[in-house]
Parts: sequence; structure tokens; C-alpha cells
Amino acid sequence: EAGVVQSPRYKIIEKKQPVAFWCNPISGHNTLYWYLQNLGQGPELLIRYENEEAVDDSQLPKDRFSAERLKGVDSTLKIQPAELGDSAVYLCASSPYVGYEQYFGPGTRLTVT
Amino acid sequence: KNEVEQSPQNLTAQEGEFITINCSYSVGISALHWLQQHPGGGIVSLFMLSSGKKKHGRLIATINIQEKHSSLHITASHPRDSAVYICAVYGNQFYFGTGTSLTVIP
Repeated sequence: EAGVVQSPRYKIIEKKQPVAFWCNPISGHNTLYWYLQNLGQGPELLIRYENEEAVDDSQLPKDRFSAERLKGVDSTLKIQPAELGDSAVYLCASSPYVGYEQYFGPGTRLTVT
Repeated sequence: KNEVEQSPQNLTAQEGEFITINCSYSVGISALHWLQQHPGGGIVSLFMLSSGKKKHGRLIATINIQEKHSSLHITASHPRDSAVYICAVYGNQFYFGTGTSLTVIP
């Protein structure tokens, strides 16, 4: 069974540029999470989807971040414009249902210069 | 205020030692998760538990719901166990600890 797929794995952009991350969860998993992880810290939730509905986006900086999960499968996370402080690893995870074991993707390491 | 606290933050052990990592939480939960993250690597789920004890190979996880505390034990530690171990709890949302960085020296 394929795991959670994320792309790109690495991205370097200049500040004020837009960037997008893509996630393909495990087939059949209803719940999808986007996390941000800074070095030496645990993951911080950005947004959680139940199927195609964003049920928890309270931590998503909506002035510059947006996300979508069309058809309740793949998801994209966008930042526009990026700031220096956005440099981090962006993780996608999926689980069969909320609260169950999560399966994490390899993450996208974003560097904003 | 952190809803999940882990201790120690850093741990160095000699190969073969018995290791314990602790996790305390302050919110009501339905499940607690232990995760492993190798340097530069992705996060892997080790355990999900809501009561009692679970064992996978050399890893043992216990939880005491009344005391809001969980421990992760590693028996006969090995250098390949070197990683960051993260405790996460689920109540109405996920809360993550900041992790315990374990280094096992040969």
C-alpha cells in the first residue's frame, strides 16, 4: 500500500513569492491534516479536513495561507506571499478517521530567502 | 501553556540500556499516540493507546488515564533507536509534545 505522498520535497523561494504544496493521502482515508514543523519542535496543526470539508482551520493564517481538498482526496496548501518566517517543514498526514493513527508524508522543506 | 509535556527533552544512553520517556498531558483525551522521527526523516506512528499497555518488539507504551501520564519504554536500546520521540494526544483536536531527542551510543 502506498503511503502519503507529498511534493515537492524541497522548495527554495524568495520572500513575497507564492508557493504551493501537494499531498496525496492514503486511499480511503477520510481525514487529512496539514502541519507545520519548525526545527526542534513538534508538529503544529494548520488545517484538518474531513473528506472535502475543512473542519478545523483555526490555526491557519488566512491572510496568506489557503488550502483545498477537492473531491475529498488530494489536497494543496498555498502560501501567497511567502515570508521569511514561513521557512519550515510542511507535513501532510492522513488517517481513516479523526483521532485514529495518523500516517505522515515525508514533508516539504520550505526555505524562504 | 503546553497541553503536552515530555521529559526528558534530550537523552543519551549506552547501547543495551533500558530507556524511559515520559509524557504528561492536561486535557481530556480519547487517545494518545507515540511517534518516532529520525533525523531528516518522516514521522512514523509507533503506538495509539487509550488504556493499559501495548508492546511492539522492544518498545512498550503504557498509559494511566487517571494520572494523565504515559511512558514509552525501549528495552535493550540500539543505535538505530536514535530519533526524536513525540507524544501526541487527541481530545477534540491533536496536541503534540515538543519531542524527546534520544541518542544511543554504541
